Amino acid sequence: GDSVTQMEGPVTLSEEAFLTINCTYTATGYPSLFWYVQYPGEGLQLLLKATKADDKGSNKGFEATYRKETTSFHLEKGSVQVSDSAVYFCALAQGGSEKLVFGKGMKLTVNP
Amino acid sequence: EPEVTQTPSHQVTQMGQEVILRCVPISNHLYFYWYRQILGQKVEFLVSFYNNEISEKSEIFDDQFSVERPDGSNFTLKIRSTKLEDSAMYFCASSEFRATNEKLFFGSGTQLSVL
Repeated sequence: GDSVTQMEGPVTLSEEAFLTINCTYTATGYPSLFWYVQYPGEGLQLLLKATKADDKGSNKGFEATYRKETTSFHLEKGSVQVSDSAVYFCALAQGGSEKLVFGKGMKLTVNP
Repeated sequence: EPEVTQTPSHQVTQMGQEVILRCVPISNHLYFYWYRQILGQKVEFLVSFYNNEISEKSEIFDDQFSVERPDGSNFTLKIRSTKLEDSAMYFCASSEFRATNEKLFFGSGTQLSVL
């Protein structure tokens, strides 16, 4: 079945560091890809998405590009802030299905 | 911004007991979901619910589980006879449109501990 693999955490960075969180997927066809973020004490919320190959999703300084050839959707941010401390989840969805398939999530802590 | 509310935030129960997890979705949303995350594992889809019936469910969602929208505002997940392996964080979510095309709004979760 479909699956998502994320890099293991937790990860600790200093403020203004460059962030990459790797995400690869296994799926048939052309799923939509998502990054969700969970800030402390809150629910998961959509950070960005891409629905077809070579699409780039972006939001709040984060970017991810849908790479069909490498089945990847890596999340990047050029300069992280303390407020980016959260758990980040990569996910996919197939057309015709209601469900999101998530990775394990990766906890990021950004220190001042 | 409107939010999905889940209660309680933490529930402790004895094995074999029934438990009901409660959620208040965003008021104009039509699609409702339950997901769970066992500690250290992936977030897993349990069930989706639309127009007062289950539209999709996973293999995890067996006869021990049921969902209900009893009064037009609450959305509940019932586990009839809890097992140790049901211990997990349970997330409720809702969306205005079908989730694969529009974003899901998640609650902050109910941590269920089965002793």
